[in-house]
Amino acid sequence: DTAVSQTPKYLVTQMGNDKSIKCEQNLGHDTMYWYKQDSKKFLKIMFSYNNKELIINETVPNRFSPKSPDKAHLNLHINSLELGDSAVYFCASSQPQGINEQYFGPGTRLTVT
Amino acid sequence: QKEVEQDPGPLSVPEGAIVSLNCTYSNSAFQYFMWYRQYSRKGPELLMYTYSSGNKEDGRFTAQVDKSSKYISLFIRDSQPSDSATYLCAMTFTGGGNKLTFGTGTQLKVEL
Repeated sequence: DTAVSQTPKYLVTQMGNDKSIKCEQNLGHDTMYWYKQDSKKFLKIMFSYNNKELIINETVPNRFSPKSPDKAHLNLHINSLELGDSAVYFCASSQPQGINEQYFGPGTRLTVT
Repeated sequence: QKEVEQDPGPLSVPEGAIVSLNCTYSNSAFQYFMWYRQYSRKGPELLMYTYSSGNKEDGRFTAQVDKSSKYISLFIRDSQPSDSATYLCAMTFTGGGNKLTFGTGTQLKVEL
């Protein structure tokens, strides 16, 4: 009964490829997020969706495109992968009203060679 | 300079020690302060959450916020090996919705 799940857990790919990461939550939350954590453990928000609507869109290259088919799912597609995209990508979810606890998934470790 | 600064460590302490973890921040609009714990190869999980200045205690954990100094702390009493993890502070402000700004995390190791 995993709350926030991500697939795949590990992703190794070459520069220039296109890849997708999927996220699903079964907590009934309306808001979902994508974060990037670099090798120094710095965690930075990339995108947030509330009930399928994009509400946070940080300064992220256009090669990154999120998509939320429904409020329980949030995917991240990355075009033309670069070495600097290597990181751990975390999905999270929360309720939208006020300041609420964000529940994180286990992360997807992306390595671009 | 990042909005939220945190000493990356690693911080190594003996079992039973009192641990102090700290963050400083530059944005005076921040009003909500959180501490997340992240075990190796796992996602962060919320440990403590405080609003504005003051203290909050939960078992062995105490969170302190000093808004005048833009400084927050997390104290862990009677530290255990199971407390070994990276501790991330995070903060946001009213109207900031759920957009959290994180510190870089402090790696803590509690040794037997």
